[in-house]
Amino acid sequence: GAVVSQHPSWVICKSGTSVKIECRSLDFQATTMFWYRQFPKQSLMLMATSNEGSKATYEQGVEKDKFLINHASLTLSTLTVTSAHPEDSSFYICSASPEFGQFFGPGTRLTVL
Amino acid sequence: QKEVEQDPGPLSVPEGAIVSLNCTYSNSAFQYFMWYRQYSRKGPELLMYTYSSGNKEDGRFTAQVDKSSKYISLFIRDSQPSDSATYLCAMSAGPGGYQKVTFGTGTKLQVIP
Repeated sequence: GAVVSQHPSWVICKSGTSVKIECRSLDFQATTMFWYRQFPKQSLMLMATSNEGSKATYEQGVEKDKFLINHASLTLSTLTVTSAHPEDSSFYICSASPEFGQFFGPGTRLTVL
Repeated sequence: QKEVEQDPGPLSVPEGAIVSLNCTYSNSAFQYFMWYRQYSRKGPELLMYTYSSGNKEDGRFTAQVDKSSKYISLFIRDSQPSDSATYLCAMSAGPGGYQKVTFGTGTKLQVIP
């Protein structure tokens, strides 16, 4: 149990385009999901907390207009990177929790050319 | 000072060795402690989850928490090459779900055959 999936697993896009990443909890419902970013050889950096049916809570320094989060159902949260630039290239990972701990998706590698 | 400190390594050990991974923390509100294993370009995998002080064993893995010293450890017995990965400690004030989790920077482990 406690499986979290992400789609796509990797994406390459041109600078200026928008990219949507989906995070799904497959065998449990999650009113809260978390979005992280991880640069090479660095730890996870929490970007935002996604809340079902309400606005996401963003960490300090994260641009909410650039990283749009929609938590439309108890099993799906989406992160849209708007007008992506090369510096947005990173590994994006979501997590969710059934009761305890947090279970992570496999991650999405974004490369912006 | 970071809330969670973890030696980044890398830590290189021969196959069969006992591995000790450690983290210290400063926030006394942390009650729940986790260890994750992350292979390159993959999402973190939850290995151990413990509450408050004490020990927890699962196969070759033992997690220890000493809240009085604000120190947690993960021991890996009979280490295998497949254990080569980055190990992240994590902790939170609550059991999960809505709780924000704070991660260490990760220790890179290499087990040499």
